[in-house]
Amino acid sequence: KQEVTQIPAALSVPEGENLVLNCSFTDSAIYNLQWFRQDPGKGLTSLLLIQSSQREQTSGRLNASLDKSSGRSTLYIAASQPGDSATYLCAVSQGGSEKLVFGKGTKLTVNP
Amino acid sequence: EAGVAQSPRYKIIEKRQSVAFWCNPISGHATLYWYQQILGQGPKLLIQFQNNGVVDDSQLPKDRFSAERLKGVDSTLKIQPAKLEDSAVYLCASSPHPYQETQYFGPGTRLLVL
Repeated sequence: KQEVTQIPAALSVPEGENLVLNCSFTDSAIYNLQWFRQDPGKGLTSLLLIQSSQREQTSGRLNASLDKSSGRSTLYIAASQPGDSATYLCAVSQGGSEKLVFGKGTKLTVNP
Repeated sequence: EAGVAQSPRYKIIEKRQSVAFWCNPISGHATLYWYQQILGQGPKLLIQFQNNGVVDDSQLPKDRFSAERLKGVDSTLKIQPAKLEDSAVYLCASSPHPYQETQYFGPGTRLLVL
């Protein structure tokens, strides 16, 4: 059974700092990995999707890496801003299934 | 392009009552998902539809939960009777094609069972 773990559960940083969020998964036979953002009272917004054959994806100040063999992914946020404050969720899909298995998320607070 | 629509946004009911949630996916999206997100947890897939057929309902508590997607568009999720542990946010998502596609989420319905 696939399990996804995100560390840390919560993170508070000053504005402008670069930061890394971590995600690990127990079964390396994944189809893809996604990072989502969730704002309070709102649904999830997809940030980056990495296919199992890829090593990283970049979008603006965000960079996500994937090491499938070790079961790890990181989300790097450069020059953090207060608007980045949200919960960040990592999810993996298994080969042969579209079902996403989510971690519990990391709650990020960026202080002005 | 309009996003995934859900209603109601909030619902408070007594235990043992019934409740229904509605979802309208993005136009043209063949795949529709219902997730349950308990406070402090990541979303858990309840059921997945491909057009109007069920692809995966392995984590749906079928003794109390039911879902349908008529005509392959809108979907409803029903709970009858509700239990205290059903208090959660129910998220609907859709995607245009299976595999290699991101899912687009609605704002969710927050359910509180008293």
